[in-house]
Amino acid sequence: EVQLVESGGGLVQPGGSLRLSCAASGFTFSSYEMNWVRQAPGKGLEWVSYISSSGSTIYYADSVKGRFTISRDNAKNSLYLQMNSLRAEDTAVYYCARVTVQLERWALDYWGQGTLVTVSS
Amino acid sequence: DIQMTQSPSSLSASVGDRVTITCRASQSISSYLNWYQQKPGKAPKLLIYAASSLQSGVPSRFSGSGSGTDFTLTISSLQPEDFATYYCQQSYSTPPETTFGQGTRLEIK
Repeated sequence: EVQLVESGGGLVQPGGSLRLSCAASGFTFSSYEMNWVRQAPGKGLEWVSYISSSGSTIYYADSVKGRFTISRDNAKNSLYLQMNSLRAEDTAVYYCARVTVQLERWALDYWGQGTLVTVSS
Repeated sequence: DIQMTQSPSSLSASVGDRVTITCRASQSISSYLNWYQQKPGKAPKLLIYAASSLQSGVPSRFSGSGSGTDFTLTISSLQPEDFATYYCQQSYSTPPETTFGQGTRLEIK
């Protein structure tokens, strides 16, 4: 069974840092591209970052570029999101999500349960 | 950036109803369109990929159609477990900077 389990969320002051983790199991993690997607309280979904299966290709949303860093450790079946210089508007539930490619189109087929990050003084 | 606009933003319907949700892209995205269902406090679930293909395990009462800029998600006969929020997502952008619609909340009438 495919499982993605996020951890590392919590309350942090503006300007602070936090590192999120996503532990993967039930599939060959090193073969899959991964994303982080967030959802502010009561709001819609916002893509945050993408990383290729090898970790060699990375992209960020403009809203987090220069502040967040995505990485992965395929030996540990883990995905990470280092978040620095956090702002109130970064408050959200953060989901890790696996990429599937079918019919030459990609989608997010498995998601973790999410971890809440609250940025507040 | 490609903008995705869903309509309506909310919808009230009854069990057994046929429901259609629309998603419009700000530019042509061919069939690079996915649909997700999200229930309160839960992660999104992939329903439809490539505009019209049903994800494995998803009931056949869900269907998707469209190409270019206009897309629809149809639920042929609403079941109690279908009351949720639905999001469209474009996967056309290169690099893979995806965007989601704002969501359509489907409520019980």
